Formats: sequence, structure tokens, C-alpha cells
Amino acid sequence: QSALTQPASVSGSPGQSITTSCTGTSSDVGGYNLVSWYQQHPGRAPKLILYEDTKRPSGVSNRFSGSKSGNTASLTISGLQAEDEADYYCCSYAGDTRWVFGGGTKLTVL
Amino acid sequence: EVRLVESGGGLVQPGESLRLSCVASGFTFSTYTMNWVRQAPGKGLEWVSYITRSSSFLHYADSVKGRFTISRDNAKNSLFLQMNSLRVEDTAVYYCVRDSGFAFEIWGQGTMVTVSS
Repeated sequence: QSALTQPASVSGSPGQSITTSCTGTSSDVGGYNLVSWYQQHPGRAPKLILYEDTKRPSGVSNRFSGSKSGNTASLTISGLQAEDEADYYCCSYAGDTRWVFGGGTKLTVL
Repeated sequence: EVRLVESGGGLVQPGESLRLSCVASGFTFSTYTMNWVRQAPGKGLEWVSYITRSSSFLHYADSVKGRFTISRDNAKNSLFLQMNSLRVEDTAVYYCVRDSGFAFEIWGQGTMVTVSS
């Protein structure tokens, strides 16, 4: 199963918004409403920030939002804060009880 | 507090075996499907294996199928990963992860496995 495609890096200034993408195929991203996003700070375990394409778990800031069009999902972070600097991974269900992750995007807050 | 604590990682030579454990607390372990997800040094995340609540269904990534075996002991709130015929490319941090049906909801802190001669 091929990994989902994410840009290696994205950057933005405090207060700005950024959007990063996650591209798959009709067999994963485009085939199910089961894209999730994870935030990972250096040396820490990943943390779930979005699920089912657009939903936020309890306790996650509403500055994080998700969308999807066809085979591409997107994560938007509004009102960038220094603490948002981290790696972000998308993940999609790929059928037959299999999951595929993206390669990750490193967010730099300038 | 919901918590997952992995153990059992270490340094082994290619071809050797290792058994990882994960102890859950703060929730009813037997009511959740569980997964192992790994992350090679400096690399992205890779789903490894999945086990249903009653161990009825087990699933594996192609990269570990036939070498790794996932299991659980609901009476002891524990998840396991038996890793045989280890390869250099299995070197990674292994995370125990609670599955909520739609995402990987709760992650442990991870345990490092290094395969090297």
C-alpha cells in the first residue's frame, strides 16, 4: 500500500492561516470518509486532532479544521501559534482493515 | 486517566525475536480494538497490526505479515506484539494505539526497537 502524499514542509507567521494537503486515491482518501490527522511534537507520541475528514476530538482547538475534495484531504490551521510548530500526518482507511499514513508535513511557525 | 504504556523494546540482531507489551489503564480495555503503529527514526508513521476486542480478527501490514503476531489478554488489560525474524528495516519506535473505529485515538509513549548486527 503506497503512502499518502503530503508536502514535506509548510510555514506561516503567527496569526496567519496555513493549509496543507494529503493526496491519495479512490481506494483510500476518496473512497471513505475516514481521513484523520495527527500532530506530533519532537520526541512525543502523535496526537489525534481531526477524524472522519472534518471532526475534532473533544479538547482540540477549533483553530484546526479539515476538508476533502475527491482524493485530496486538507488540514487548515488558523491563527497560527508557536505551539503549533510540529509534524502533521494524515491517515486514511484503505479497505480490508488496513490504514495508510502520509509521509508527514513539518510546520514551521516563523 | 486513560493511559497506554509499552515495554519490551531493545537491541537485537537480524533474525532474532522480540516481544512487545502494552498495559492499558483508565478505560475498559476489552471494549476497544487495538493497534500497533511504528515510526522508523526520522521517518513517518506506519500502521503495523490490528486486533479486534475478542481477538476474532487480526490484520497485518504486508511488511510484517508472517513474521509478527498480535495478541491481547483482556483479563490483564494487555496488548502484545511478537516479532520474529526481525530485519534492519523493522527498526522503529513502536506505539500501542487505541482504535475508536474511525481513527487512532489514544497513543502510548512508544518503545524503541533496534535491529542491528
